[in-house]
Amino acid sequence: DGGITQSPKYLFRKEGQNVTLSCEQNLNHDAMYWYRQDPGQGLRLIYYSQIVNDFQKGDIAEGYSVSREKKESFPLTVTSAQKNPTAFYLCASSMDRAQAAQYFGPGTRLLVL
Amino acid sequence: AQTVTQSQPEMSVQEAETVTLSCTYDTSENNYYLFWYKQPPSRQMILVIRQEAYKQQNATENRFSVNFQKAAKSFSLKISDSQLGDTAMYFCAFIISTNDYKLSFGAGTTVTVRA
Repeated sequence: DGGITQSPKYLFRKEGQNVTLSCEQNLNHDAMYWYRQDPGQGLRLIYYSQIVNDFQKGDIAEGYSVSREKKESFPLTVTSAQKNPTAFYLCASSMDRAQAAQYFGPGTRLLVL
Repeated sequence: AQTVTQSQPEMSVQEAETVTLSCTYDTSENNYYLFWYKQPPSRQMILVIRQEAYKQQNATENRFSVNFQKAAKSFSLKISDSQLGDTAMYFCAFIISTNDYKLSFGAGTTVTVRA
């Protein structure tokens, strides 16, 4: 089946710890994205990548980092510098056209212990 | 900066009836694309419908249709013959047709379909 997978479904972070959220797609999409969703709010863009080995900051990149070593994978690391990481994180992908719709994974819920 | 406004935080509709969700946006660009996404309790974001700004014809997708008014910068979603499975949060979003890949989202409207 073609689609986007995210893991884990739930993730717990301790103070000062870096954690990495996985995102994989087998849709052969060039572009991939990470969004953050807080309760009762819309999505805010963290990072996006249009091609392998290239990525750009979104609106709320501080405290996050990404890599794009493979077309299929776009992991997100939530660093200890992110002081309020509790949120729902959604990964998306699209064809390399601005007009293409973005398709989303099932999301990861990050909680701080 | 692009902004998207959804003025109805919550709406309720009886099963089999019709509900319309409003969305307005602000952009100085002429070419862009508009979307409605659905987020059910599972929290999976699902694309409902897509509209190109250069097309005057309103998009339809089964029971979902839009009323796109470019001059008014309005993009409402109509759900006809509402079903219990339509219960979800609905987000309006758009992207400008340049090399900018940022999808701008509204805050969402929670739709509850009553049996």
